[in-house]
Amino acid sequence: DIQMTQSPSSLSASVGDRVTITCRASQSVTNYLNWYQQKPGKAPKLLIFAASNLQSGVPSRFSGSGSGTDFTLTINSLQPEDFATYYCQQSYFTPPETFGQGTKVEIK
Amino acid sequence: EVQLVESGGGLVQPGGSLRLSCAASGFTFSSYWMHWVRQVPGKGLVWVSRIKTDGTITSHAESVRGRFTISRDNGKNTLYLQMNSLRAEDTAVYYCARAGWLQLGSEYYYYMDVWGKGTTVTVSS
Repeated sequence: DIQMTQSPSSLSASVGDRVTITCRASQSVTNYLNWYQQKPGKAPKLLIFAASNLQSGVPSRFSGSGSGTDFTLTINSLQPEDFATYYCQQSYFTPPETFGQGTKVEIK
Repeated sequence: EVQLVESGGGLVQPGGSLRLSCAASGFTFSSYWMHWVRQVPGKGLVWVSRIKTDGTITSHAESVRGRFTISRDNGKNTLYLQMNSLRAEDTAVYYCARAGWLQLGSEYYYYMDVWGKGTTVTVSS
């Protein structure tokens, strides 16, 4: 099974900051990489699919990049509603559909 | 409105059984693969099972294989997860999710684009 490792596990940032979260796959997943946002007590929400494609309705301050084994989720100008946990997920070698362990973005 | 609504969670004793349901509305249910994903409170997302549009192909995570069975009734727009021989470690919030997809060039990309709010399963004596 492909393992997905996110870093950092958590970070503290201020409103207006630029935030970068990294996801690394244990082997190449080409660009079959998705990003989700989850707020406490809520279901996950799709942000980015196919590594860099913004899901409809997601603000343009979110962007994704990368291919192969290394991927990045960037949030430009962090907003109060962006404080949440973010997960990457590979959809290349399935099953299983594997998620990263999550990155919690907290208020500094 | 595109919507998924889970039900059927609750408290069950170890070794017991439970059937979760996921009612779909607002889209052509029979055209989409579907997933179950679970999450222990305070922990990460873990994929459980998936099923093809017509129900002919199913897959389960190794941790639930042989105990859980995913199925669907396209006539009722409903996804199911039959959970048998439940263990304490199955305690989690269970989400159903739609497998959205997009063709870009010659590639088909899959992602989980619609999620239910989840139903809580607690396995405890």
